[in-house]
Amino acid sequence: DGGITQSPKYLFRKEGQNVTLSCEQNLNHDAMYWYRQDPGQGLRLIYYSQIVNDFQKGDIAEGYSVSREKKESFPLTVTSAQKNPTAFYLCASSIAAGRADTQYFGPGTRLTVL
Amino acid sequence: KNEVEQSPQNLTAQEGEFITINCSYSVGISALHWLQQHPGGGIVSLFMLSSGKKKHGRLIATINIQEKHSSLHITASHPRDSAVYICAVRTSGGGADGLTFGKGTHLIIQP
Repeated sequence: DGGITQSPKYLFRKEGQNVTLSCEQNLNHDAMYWYRQDPGQGLRLIYYSQIVNDFQKGDIAEGYSVSREKKESFPLTVTSAQKNPTAFYLCASSIAAGRADTQYFGPGTRLTVL
Repeated sequence: KNEVEQSPQNLTAQEGEFITINCSYSVGISALHWLQQHPGGGIVSLFMLSSGKKKHGRLIATINIQEKHSSLHITASHPRDSAVYICAVRTSGGGADGLTFGKGTHLIIQP
């Protein structure tokens, strides 16, 4: 089946540790996105990538890093510099960036920093 | 001010009722999306609109570009429709970044 997978579903980390969230898609989409969701707020864009080996900062990129070495994969690292990392993280992809295409979302990873 | 405003924030209705969720936006857009988020967190895209009206099963989405307003309607609502419904826009201007989201409408349909 085609789709987007994120792992793990739940993740617990100690304060000060870096943690990497996985996002994989087999839809052959060029564009991939990372969003963060907090209670009572809309999703906010962290980073996006239009094509392999390219990525751009979104609205709240501070304390996060990404890589796009393969078309299928867009991992997000939450670094110790992120002041409030506990949140629900969603990965999405679309056929191409810069067009009004449907975005397909993964199931999300809930990160809790203790 | 948030660029995308949804109303109501919370809605509880009885099974069978006709449901309307509203979305207003303040920027120029190239497309508007309606998304559904279930309690587990996964998000499903329901509609993408740039004009007019779309229908899928019991769901209907409309958009009025001049008034910068969209509505999502659910006919013959059912408890399985209980979810958070999110409006999101892609701003016009050719940018390649992601969507701008509303805060969502939490819908509960009681049997």
